[in-house]
Amino acid sequence: GAGVSQSPSNKVTEKGKDVELRCDPISGHTALYWYRQSLGQGLEFLIYFQGNSAPDKSGLPSDRFSAERTGGSVSTLTIQRTQQEDSAVYLCASSLATGSGFRAFFGQGTRLTVV
Amino acid sequence: AQSVTQLDSHVSVSEGTPVLLRCNYSSSYSPSLFWYVQHPNKGLQLLLKYTSAATLVKGINGFEAEFKKSETSFHLTKPSAHMSDAAEYFCVVTYYNQGGKLIFGQGTELSVKP
Repeated sequence: GAGVSQSPSNKVTEKGKDVELRCDPISGHTALYWYRQSLGQGLEFLIYFQGNSAPDKSGLPSDRFSAERTGGSVSTLTIQRTQQEDSAVYLCASSLATGSGFRAFFGQGTRLTVV
Repeated sequence: AQSVTQLDSHVSVSEGTPVLLRCNYSSSYSPSLFWYVQHPNKGLQLLLKYTSAATLVKGINGFEAEFKKSETSFHLTKPSAHMSDAAEYFCVVTYYNQGGKLIFGQGTELSVKP
């Protein structure tokens, strides 16, 4: 597709279960970002990739969160042993490159609800 | 730490009146600044961006923003609000020395009254 694609669009999971969120960036975009937006909060940076490597993982809230990117394309964000505070919209964005000024294109997000 | 601050969490205007959404960033070398809009249940959409060219930037839907280095501000304006402008607006900054990591403000919710 022409835009950033995220799946699933909605996910309801039980507390303690693991979830995987997927992001398909725009073809050719080397930079990929993960953010989350909790209810009433601004966007919180989680991690970004340049190619397959993650120069900045500083936003991952705990060791239950991990992310990988393979082939410089698809990325998965994994949350282990989900907690209710993990409920949020998880947004993925990609850009042609990192560096100041490159426009990021955002996916529609995955709404995660932990019950 | 480098940051961006949106001074109002909520702004309410009447249809047809001007809109002003305020944003200040922490001073740094070569910032690039963006405004994004998020309508309910939709993804983020770029309104406009500043990347060291003209200080007055025009965006989509009649929005514009002015980069003022002396005030470290990048306020978003529109002369006349429309009902369809009701949404959440995010001011975003990237810095050359941070590899392009997007730093988001907390967002401003814009309400437009008929």
